[in-house]
Amino acid sequence: EIVLAQSPATLSLSPGERATLSCRASQSVSSYLAWYQQKPGQAPRLLIYDASNRATGIPARFSGSGSGTDFTLTISSLEPEDFAVYYCQQRGNWPQLTFGGGTKVEIK
Amino acid sequence: QLQLQESGPGLVRPSETLSLTCAVSGDSISNSFYYWGWIRQPPGKGLEWIGNIYHTGSTYKNPSLESRVTISLDTSKNQFSLNLNSVTAADTAVYYCASLERFSGAFDFWGQGTVVIVSS
Repeated sequence: EIVLAQSPATLSLSPGERATLSCRASQSVSSYLAWYQQKPGQAPRLLIYDASNRATGIPARFSGSGSGTDFTLTISSLEPEDFAVYYCQQRGNWPQLTFGGGTKVEIK
Repeated sequence: QLQLQESGPGLVRPSETLSLTCAVSGDSISNSFYYWGWIRQPPGKGLEWIGNIYHTGSTYKNPSLESRVTISLDTSKNQFSLNLNSVTAADTAVYYCASLERFSGAFDFWGQGTVVIVSS
């Protein structure tokens, strides 16, 4: 099983600041990594797939990078609606899928 | 655009079987572009993939749950289902159904989730 470790667990930032979230895989997943945003009481929303492709309707301030075992989700300038929990998910070990433990982005 | 809606009992007794259904609208579950998946989230915790089913009926399951999980399709009703047997309190969670787009390998449409509590 491929384990995804997300860091930090919590990120405290102010609106307008840049957020950098990390996801590290226990073995290579190539570029087969997705990112999701989840707000309280809501289902997750797909942001990024295949490491760097924004899903339909996702603002350009969200970007993804990385390959192999190290991946980054960057939010260039935090909007109030971006404070949420973010999860990564791999399909590099298809058909077995795993999610990371999540990073909470909270208002400082 | 796809819409998914979970349904099923909100309370299940320990050792019994949890049964949930996901109704799909906006496309056919026979569409070969999608896998249909189940994901759960225990209270205050992260997401756990349970398993997927393809339109052919092939299923793919989390090894940690595989022995207790059955996923099936009902093409006549355009829905798919999850059965999880021998439940314990550790199976208490919000259960989501979602579509997994075949080429991106990501869950692009989700149901709103349904809370299932395991308790006597």
